[in-house]
Amino acid sequence: DAGVIQSPRHEVTEMGQEVTLRCKPISGHNSLFWYRQTMMRGLELLIYFNNNVPIDDSGMPEDRFSAKMPNASFSTLKIQPSEPRDSAVYFCASSLRGASNSPLHFGNGTRLTVT
Amino acid sequence: DAKTTQPPSMDCAEGRAANLPCNHSTISGNEYVYWYRQIHSQGPQYIIHGLKNNETNEMASLIITEDRKSSTLILPHATLRDTAVYYCIVRVALNQFYFGTGTSLTVIP
Repeated sequence: DAGVIQSPRHEVTEMGQEVTLRCKPISGHNSLFWYRQTMMRGLELLIYFNNNVPIDDSGMPEDRFSAKMPNASFSTLKIQPSEPRDSAVYFCASSLRGASNSPLHFGNGTRLTVT
Repeated sequence: DAKTTQPPSMDCAEGRAANLPCNHSTISGNEYVYWYRQIHSQGPQYIIHGLKNNETNEMASLIITEDRKSSTLILPHATLRDTAVYYCIVRVALNQFYFGTGTSLTVIP
């Protein structure tokens, strides 16, 4: 079991540039979550997919943020244009839906720095 | 709304049991208690979860009080590698998995 795989591990970009973060969930998991972690706000849920369909995106901070899940094995989180306040660690997690007690399994995150 | 209260920090001597408390006084009957930990620069790692009964796995034990208003995570023989931030979470719904500020556990040699 390879676990949840995120890429890149680190991303440094300039303000105004487009940033795309990638996630491969655990095979067989049908729920996917994107979180953001900062010192000030801790871990925040951004968006949640079930069977590739976005269910709850109320945590997405602004229209500059968008997320897609074109198939069961891949998801992207895009920021366009990026701003310095977007600097954070972004985590992807997956779980098995259908069981309310199925734990989330997290990737090791992408550390984003916007200068 | 994290729905849980944890002490901000704790120390534990290496080799001793680490007992991490969590209060969740507003928990509902069908809401599970989860524990995760996060080691610096890594993603949160699932430890254990439970509903009513005490649970044990290879990593830890979870003790839930009879009224379910609090729980304790027990690491039976703490090692230096157990130094991390430990999060207690009450899962309200499938996607309502909110992390609070956690307890920073330091295992001392």
